[in-house]
Amino acid sequence: DTGVSQNPRHKITKRGQNVTFRCDPISEHNRLYWYRQTLGQGPEFLTYFQNEAQLEKSRLLSDRFSAERPKGSFSTLEIQRTEQGDSAMYLCASRMQGAGQTQYFGPGTRLLVL
Amino acid sequence: TQLLEQSPQFLSIQEGENLTVYCNSSSVFSSLQWYRQEPGEGPVLLVTVVTGGEVKKLKRLTFQFGDARKDSSLHITAAQPGDTGLYLCAGFEAAGNKLTFGGGTRVLVKP
Repeated sequence: DTGVSQNPRHKITKRGQNVTFRCDPISEHNRLYWYRQTLGQGPEFLTYFQNEAQLEKSRLLSDRFSAERPKGSFSTLEIQRTEQGDSAMYLCASRMQGAGQTQYFGPGTRLLVL
Repeated sequence: TQLLEQSPQFLSIQEGENLTVYCNSSSVFSSLQWYRQEPGEGPVLLVTVVTGGEVKKLKRLTFQFGDARKDSSLHITAAQPGDTGLYLCAGFEAAGNKLTFGGGTRVLVKP
């Protein structure tokens, strides 16, 4: 399977704990995106990378959130001191710059903060 | 930030009926993508429309991009229970290099 993969698929944590999610994009895609989706809503943009450079961050991305893509391949999204309001589906997508505007999504990581 | 509004929010129909989902914005997008999402899964791309006035067909699904590239519609003919899901439209902002999603339309096709 050469699609976008995300791990873990589900995460339950207690308020105040730190969590980290991983995204492996389609191998030749140089752009990687993170979105957050709450129940009953469409996904909202969080941040994106071109290769290893983080080019844009949404205002939704508070100081407790940090994303990295150290080698321009996989990416991690860390949430520190989780809050109940962080409970959501975290989606990763990738695309190849210059090869159309279509983004391909992974299956998501569903986070529940108790 | 450009906004996309989808309507209706929820649609429940009987198998065999037709349905249309609308996606509207006051802003112009360079392209618009339609996705379907199952519970607990990521969005799966159905189609990308790029040219104003473009119509694309995918079996029983017909997608249209407005002439001014501000709106789009998805029409399903003779809906089947397998069409049940959350339908999302997303506009691509060329300047921002990201997708802006509508709120989604939840479709339920009853057998």
